[in-house]
Amino acid sequence: EAGVVQSPRYKIIEKKQPVAFWCNPISGHNTLYWYLQNLGQGPELLIRYENEEAVDDSQLPKDRFSAERLKGVDSTLKIQPAELGDSAVYLCASSPTSSHNEQFFGPGTRLTVL
Amino acid sequence: EDKVVQSPLSLVVHEGDTVTLNCSYEVTNFRSLLWYKQEKKAPTFLFMLTSSGIEKKSGRLSSILDKKELFSILNITATQTGDSAIYLCAVFSGTYKYIFGTGTRLKVLA
Repeated sequence: EAGVVQSPRYKIIEKKQPVAFWCNPISGHNTLYWYLQNLGQGPELLIRYENEEAVDDSQLPKDRFSAERLKGVDSTLKIQPAELGDSAVYLCASSPTSSHNEQFFGPGTRLTVL
Repeated sequence: EDKVVQSPLSLVVHEGDTVTLNCSYEVTNFRSLLWYKQEKKAPTFLFMLTSSGIEKKSGRLSSILDKKELFSILNITATQTGDSAIYLCAVFSGTYKYIFGTGTRLKVLA
């Protein structure tokens, strides 16, 4: 069974530039999470989707961050414009349903903003 | 505010040593506690705990949950260099959120 796929694995951009990350969850998983992980910290939730609906985006900085999951399968997270403080690893995870206790992580995208 | 606290933040041991990692939590509507191992990539699942006092075991790793005192421990016996990683504790809450601790960075020296 294929795991959670993310791309790109690494991205280096200059501040004020836009950037987008893509995630394809495990087939059949309805719930999709985007996390931000800073160095030395645990993952912090940005947004959770149930199918195509964003059911928890309370931690998403909406002035510069946006996300979509139009067909309830793969998802894109965008930052525009990027700031120096956005440098981090962006992790995507999925689970069969919201109430399922275990989630499966992708390899992450390491973003460096110069 | 929900929080998960792990200790120690970092630990250096020699091969063959036994280590105990701690995770305490204050979370509304606890559903489960999960342990993950994170090397230079995605966190990989180790254990899920939902009931107090029942030890989960996988090879040299074991974990137990105390829902009265709101903590869990992860034990690793006969450590190996391949155990070097960040160990993350997360609590799954009634609002379907995973709240992660900062992790314990373990380094096992040969």
